Amino acid sequence: GDSVTQMEGPVTLSEEAFLTINCTYTATGYPSLFWYVQYPGEGLQLLLKATKADDKGSNKGFEATYRKETTSFHLEKGSVQVSDSAVYFCALSAVGGGSYIPTFGRGTSLIVHP
Amino acid sequence: KAGVTQTPRYLIKTRGQQVTLSCSPISGHRSVSWYQQTPGQGLQFLFEYFSETQRNKGNFPGRFSGRQFSNSRSEMNVSTLELGDSALYLCASYRDGATDTQYFGPGTRLTVL
Repeated sequence: GDSVTQMEGPVTLSEEAFLTINCTYTATGYPSLFWYVQYPGEGLQLLLKATKADDKGSNKGFEATYRKETTSFHLEKGSVQVSDSAVYFCALSAVGGGSYIPTFGRGTSLIVHP
Repeated sequence: KAGVTQTPRYLIKTRGQQVTLSCSPISGHRSVSWYQQTPGQGLQFLFEYFSETQRNKGNFPGRFSGRQFSNSRSEMNVSTLELGDSALYLCASYRDGATDTQYFGPGTRLTVL
């Protein structure tokens, strides 16, 4: 079945450091890929998405490129802020078909220190 | 546009009791999914409803059930609560379609004592 693997956390960085959170996937067909973020005490919210190979999703300084050849969708940000501290989830969903169950990774906690 | 709302936000129950959680999706969204989030297991899919029909179900015991009403609002029920049911229960709604973004509610934090 479909699966998503994320690097384990927590990832601890100083403010203005460069961030990479690795995500690889296994899927049949051509999935759409997502990054969701969960701030403390809240539900998940979409950060960015890409629906086909070589697409780059970007939002709030974060970006990720859909790499079909390496089945990856790594999240990057050039300069993190304390306010970026949260849990980040990589997810995929299968395109087509009558049913839709997104598959989520285990989440990666990011802690940014001033 | 109002977001996904979940009620109640917090709930404390004792073992053996049952509980009903409610989710109101974004207006116009016909699909609702439920997830259980725990530190140990991460985000686990419970079930998905579309137009009042359960379209998919995750690997949870029959104590977990749900339904969707004609206005797309959804409820989930857990009977005979166990300590291990303590979790954050998240509801997500979307229009329908594999590329659509899921919009999550803030969750209901259930504590079973």
